[in-house]
Amino acid sequence: KAGVTQTPRYLIKTRGQQVTLSCSPISGHRSVSWYQQTPGQGLQFLFEYFSETQRNKGNFPGRFSGRQFSNSRSEMNVSTLELGDSALYLCASSLGDPTNEKLFFGSGTQLSVL
Amino acid sequence: QKEVEQDPGPLSVPEGAIVSLNCTYSNSAFQYFMWYRQYSRKGPELLMYTYSSGNKEDGRFTAQVDKSSKYISLFIRDSQPSDSATYLCATSRYTGGFKTIFGAGTRLFVKA
Repeated sequence: KAGVTQTPRYLIKTRGQQVTLSCSPISGHRSVSWYQQTPGQGLQFLFEYFSETQRNKGNFPGRFSGRQFSNSRSEMNVSTLELGDSALYLCASSLGDPTNEKLFFGSGTQLSVL
Repeated sequence: QKEVEQDPGPLSVPEGAIVSLNCTYSNSAFQYFMWYRQYSRKGPELLMYTYSSGNKEDGRFTAQVDKSSKYISLFIRDSQPSDSATYLCATSRYTGGFKTIFGAGTRLFVKA
């Protein structure tokens, strides 16, 4: 069974640009969550999507947005990039079942903003 | 105050030692308690998953949850150099969707 796939693996952007990250969940998983990981703040929750609907959102500015497609694949977009957006962005998929919150993570996209 | 507090370490132990990793959390509504292991340049992988209070054992790993004191523990017996990684505790509850909150992670080094 294929795991969670995130593309691209590495990205280098400059301030003010925008970026789109992609995540393909495990087959059969309908929930996709996104996290930002930095050495100083650790893993911080961005948002969760289930069946194309955003169910939960973290405390990030509106420059961070996402969406989910009918095949459960998800994209995350960051507009007007800032230096502080440099981080490892992790996607995790799960069944989304209320009684089972086991997250399966991809290897992440390492974003560097110059 | 962070919702989940975890000592970032690093923690260095000799091979074969028993390792104890701990976290505290603030919200008594949390229902699910997890431990994830993360190797360098990889995403976290689920190690242990517990619903509510109690102990759970899986091989050399034991997870404990004490909801009365809001305390989460992970014990690793007979630690191996391959256990060297960052260990993240996490808690979650369902409120029409999930929002899993992670601790800062503890870096563990097991010396051969």
